[in-house]
Amino acid sequence: SQQGEEDPQALSIQEGENATMNCSYKTSINNLQWYRQNSGRGLVHLILIRSNEREKHSGRLRVTLDTSKKSSSLLITASRAADTASYFCATDGGSGNTGKLIFGQGTTLQVKP
Amino acid sequence: DAGVIQSPRHEVTEMGQEVTLRCKPISGHNSLFWYRQTMMRGLELLIYFNNNVPIDDSGMPEDRFSAKMPNASFSTLKIQPSEPRDSAVYFCASTLQGGLTDTQYFGPGTRLTVL
Repeated sequence: SQQGEEDPQALSIQEGENATMNCSYKTSINNLQWYRQNSGRGLVHLILIRSNEREKHSGRLRVTLDTSKKSSSLLITASRAADTASYFCATDGGSGNTGKLIFGQGTTLQVKP
Repeated sequence: DAGVIQSPRHEVTEMGQEVTLRCKPISGHNSLFWYRQTMMRGLELLIYFNNNVPIDDSGMPEDRFSAKMPNASFSTLKIQPSEPRDSAVYFCASTLQGGLTDTQYFGPGTRLTVL
């Protein structure tokens, strides 16, 4: 099974609301990343959080990491229609800087205007 | 930089035909990854290279799939013969292994349809 499992699989909210997506993983990690994929496009890196960090911000994005629970969350505040996309978490699986990532199944977010 | 370049963007072929997908990684990146994405199976890692050498091809579905990286600026993924179940979007991604992060940069993908 996938290293990362996102929850929920799909999320629909109104513009201006906050969106929270969760990711769980199985093995130890060095870092965890979140990516976004717009329909018909490749994945785009959003944010990376290292295993010794608990929280990180980037603009309207807030990522938390709980290594004891092997879980992470991505919060998008004040969502916009343009945030409509699929969001994936990815871990290195503790692979020791090989560059290889393991992606989850993704959360599909729809932001209604 | 132009980013990761993939060609073609769309490919429609008939079952049994050979398909070749191409990828040019970001200049200076030393790791390259081929993924396949379908609704049923999500994003699957097929194979990845480091310094042009295949490191892990355990995700390659079967012998019909092969990948090469003859130099640091070019890679191909070949399917021969193709089957309808190979229909998917194929992504290439590159990264600088040994850098500060493992951030991968994805190309736009090749949408393959096998009839």
